[in-house]
Amino acid sequence: NAGVTQTPKFQVLKTGQSMTLQCAQDMNHNSMYWYRQDPGMGLRLIYYSASEGTTDKGEVPNGYNVSRLNKREFSLRLESAAPSQTSVYFCASSEASPYPFSGNTIYFGEGSWLTVV
Amino acid sequence: AQKITQTQPGMFVQEKEAVTLDCTYDTSDPSYGLFWYKQPSSGEMIFLIYQGSYDQQNATEGRYSLNFQKARKSANLVISASQLGDSAMYFCSPRAGTASKLTFGTGTRLQVTL
Repeated sequence: NAGVTQTPKFQVLKTGQSMTLQCAQDMNHNSMYWYRQDPGMGLRLIYYSASEGTTDKGEVPNGYNVSRLNKREFSLRLESAAPSQTSVYFCASSEASPYPFSGNTIYFGEGSWLTVV
Repeated sequence: AQKITQTQPGMFVQEKEAVTLDCTYDTSDPSYGLFWYKQPSSGEMIFLIYQGSYDQQNATEGRYSLNFQKARKSANLVISASQLGDSAMYFCSPRAGTASKLTFGTGTRLQVTL
């Protein structure tokens, strides 16, 4: 019962390096999300994908790119890492419910701790 | 865009007491749901409870219940008989209609004391 799996769990990058966070879900969900959580703060949405083949910006998209590779996988790329991107990154997935709203919950991965030095 | 307000950055409660965590939201969509999540120090996000805007009764899940006041757009989480393991961050998250862009409040850090 894997749910949402994201890798790597921990990563240290030097300023200017690039990396990709991988995320996969095995629940056949349409919607997937990337959030970042800074120390002591709430979750902020970076990008989301409502369905396979679509991606949209969230609250804090600058400095990131995403790819919805297929229904299962949604990756987050940092092209040129900056210290301000030091954070914990969460991938999540859910069903996008049509009306009437059915109340499907959102499932989170365990988080990826990224430090940019 | 939805606006979510959790006005209590931190709360303390004694073990075995009840505590209420506030959440207000702003949406014009008539159909929506409210979710509450718990995030312990280990970091994972744990779904706690859900309330639909058309539900007639307040949601209850074990020691968790929602004080849902639709007219006030308020969905406060009530934890009864607090336990030390309840110490965590708690996030409110409204979701409206077909919107896939799930957003979260800034969270409330609850500390349960002996």
